[in-house]
Amino acid sequence: EVQLLESGGGLVQPGGSLTLSCAVSGFTFSNYAMSWIRQAPGKGLEWVSAISGSGGSTYYADSGKGRFTISRDNSKNTLYLHMNSLRVEDTAVYYCARAPPRGARIVAAGFDYWGQGTLVTVSS
Amino acid sequence: QSALTQPPSASGSLGQSVTISCTGTSSDIGSFNYVSWYQQHPDKAPKLMVYDVSQRPSGVPDRFSGSKSGNMAFLTVSGLQAEDEADYYCSSYAGSNNLVFGGGTKLTVL
Repeated sequence: EVQLLESGGGLVQPGGSLTLSCAVSGFTFSNYAMSWIRQAPGKGLEWVSAISGSGGSTYYADSGKGRFTISRDNSKNTLYLHMNSLRVEDTAVYYCARAPPRGARIVAAGFDYWGQGTLVTVSS
Repeated sequence: QSALTQPPSASGSLGQSVTISCTGTSSDIGSFNYVSWYQQHPDKAPKLMVYDVSQRPSGVPDRFSGSKSGNMAFLTVSGLQAEDEADYYCSSYAGSNNLVFGGGTKLTVL
């Protein structure tokens, strides 16, 4: 059974940092690109970042460029999102999600499995 | 990248059909056959319902179907059931490994 479990969310002050983790099981992690998607309270979904199966390619939405870093440890079956310079508008539930294979277009096919999300609250 | 445009709400009676639209541009929906649709119940993670415009993942009922015309994509839910009441989001590949979502449509089953 495919499972994704996020952790690391919490309350952080504006300008602070936080690292989210996503532990996966039930599939060969290194064979799949992964993404982070967030959802602000009462709002819609927003794609945040993606990483290839090997970890060699990373992509970011404009909202996180220069502040967020996506990474993965395939030996630990774990995906990460390190977030710096956090803003109030980064407050959201952050989901990790698996991307079905689409060659170089790693986010093209959407996301077939999602975690339950972890809440990040940026507030003073 | 701008978000895709969806109507905030849609409704239909039990057993009837409803179609939700998703409007993009020539840079996303109009250029790629990579539209996906997600269902989200309150306080739950999204669930993939349609990918590659019209493909259904295993386990998704064939009551859910997707299509595309120009810069617009559509999700049709036929034979509405009470459990179909949820928020629905479209997404489209926008090139250079960018992805855009729609703002979401709340589907009410009357």
